[in-house]
Amino acid sequence: AQSVTQLGSHVSVSEGALVLLRCNYSSSVPPYLFWYVQYPNQGLQLLLKYTSAATLVKGINGFEAEFKKSETSFHLTKPSAHMSDAAEYFCAVSEGGGSNYKLTFGKGTLLTVNP
Amino acid sequence: DAGITQSPRHKVTETGTPVTLRCHQTENHRYMYWYRQDPGHGLRLIHYSYGVKDTDKGEVSDGYSVSRSKTEDFLLTLESATSSQTSVYFCAISAGGPSGNTIYFGEGSWLTVV
Repeated sequence: AQSVTQLGSHVSVSEGALVLLRCNYSSSVPPYLFWYVQYPNQGLQLLLKYTSAATLVKGINGFEAEFKKSETSFHLTKPSAHMSDAAEYFCAVSEGGGSNYKLTFGKGTLLTVNP
Repeated sequence: DAGITQSPRHKVTETGTPVTLRCHQTENHRYMYWYRQDPGHGLRLIHYSYGVKDTDKGEVSDGYSVSRSKTEDFLLTLESATSSQTSVYFCAISAGGPSGNTIYFGEGSWLTVV
């Protein structure tokens, strides 16, 4: 069975500092991995996804994530935090490929950006 | 915008009453999903559909049923609502693109069972 662990339910950074949100996964087959962002009272928006192509994936809003099979990790980074990055971030894994992604989500990491 | 509309967006209902949430899509996607979001749990899959009248259970399907009689509509029904079903419900679709399929989410339906 697939699972996701997000280390740290709450991460606080200063504006301009590096953002690092950690995600480790468990999957019995090569996984598809996703990061989503959720702003208050809104739905989830896809930041980026890994589907077995390049291991370094670039997404929207300056975020990127690196797939490391040996560490079963898919950490999300951004070199310089902006106030608008404050939101909740979810990592997700799917063992199903093709069209039918049945996502298993981590519990989320709330990112706070301090001025 | 993946053309997903959820209704109602907010609902308060009493324990024991039936509730139906509707997800409507405008782009003829085959796969549709219902998730619930609860603090400390992230999102969990309730049911999904892979075509008209084709549905299957997800991780937390107890107490829920679904129906899909038309491609564009996926209904989630709580036959007899309980307080534990107070949650935010998200509909999602799987849509293709240049880098393969992606799951897109609706704006959510806030359900409170009192």
